[in-house]
Amino acid sequence: ETGVTQTPRHLVMGMTNKKSLKCEQHLGHNAMYWYKQSAKKPLELMFVYNFKEQTENNSVPSRFSPECPNSSHLFLHLHTLQPEDSALYLCASTTRVTANQPQHFGDGTRLSIL
Amino acid sequence: SQQGEEDPQALSIQEGENATMNCSYKTSINNLQWYRQNSGRGLVHLILIRSNEREKHSGRLRVTLDTSKKSSSLLITASRAADTASYFCATDAGGGSNYKLTFGKGTLLTVNP
Repeated sequence: ETGVTQTPRHLVMGMTNKKSLKCEQHLGHNAMYWYKQSAKKPLELMFVYNFKEQTENNSVPSRFSPECPNSSHLFLHLHTLQPEDSALYLCASTTRVTANQPQHFGDGTRLSIL
Repeated sequence: SQQGEEDPQALSIQEGENATMNCSYKTSINNLQWYRQNSGRGLVHLILIRSNEREKHSGRLRVTLDTSKKSSSLLITASRAADTASYFCATDAGGGSNYKLTFGKGTLLTVNP
């Protein structure tokens, strides 16, 4: 148990569907991150939130829309996705956005786009 | 461009042997971290070494950092089958974006019973 919970664990959707990924952390952290992990590629940082404010959007296509209603919850809203968006989406958290902080990861959502 | 690169890409050893994985990076860093990922799971933080440190230990793990060569190594001693996983190094971007971690592609370690 890492203290970071992601739901659902698996998601299969068509390109025209709309779905949302959820991340919840019970660690009292104030910074949360979304990463994309594709086969044979390094982990890619997508978004960073610090005290509910977005501090980083790593040139992510607008079909991915993040939402952070409070420091404990992070969502990734998906719409009109492409087959290349199939990947493992990982959420992570740290005490705050600064250097020298180990990141705590959830177990991810395995997303498959039909 | 990719900051951290692990070497080798894959490593297969027998239980009880030591496993060494290497990481090279390109630009100055504040710290370097190592993570483990078991199949189908998220990443787990193992150890963080700061740029002014040369060696750090945690249980059966030993990490070294050579900033002059821009490289780090992770040594797992007396390996166990449960150590089978992918291992990643991650470096911060430095400067004003020092909270951003850049991960390598990882080393897949298989420990055979």
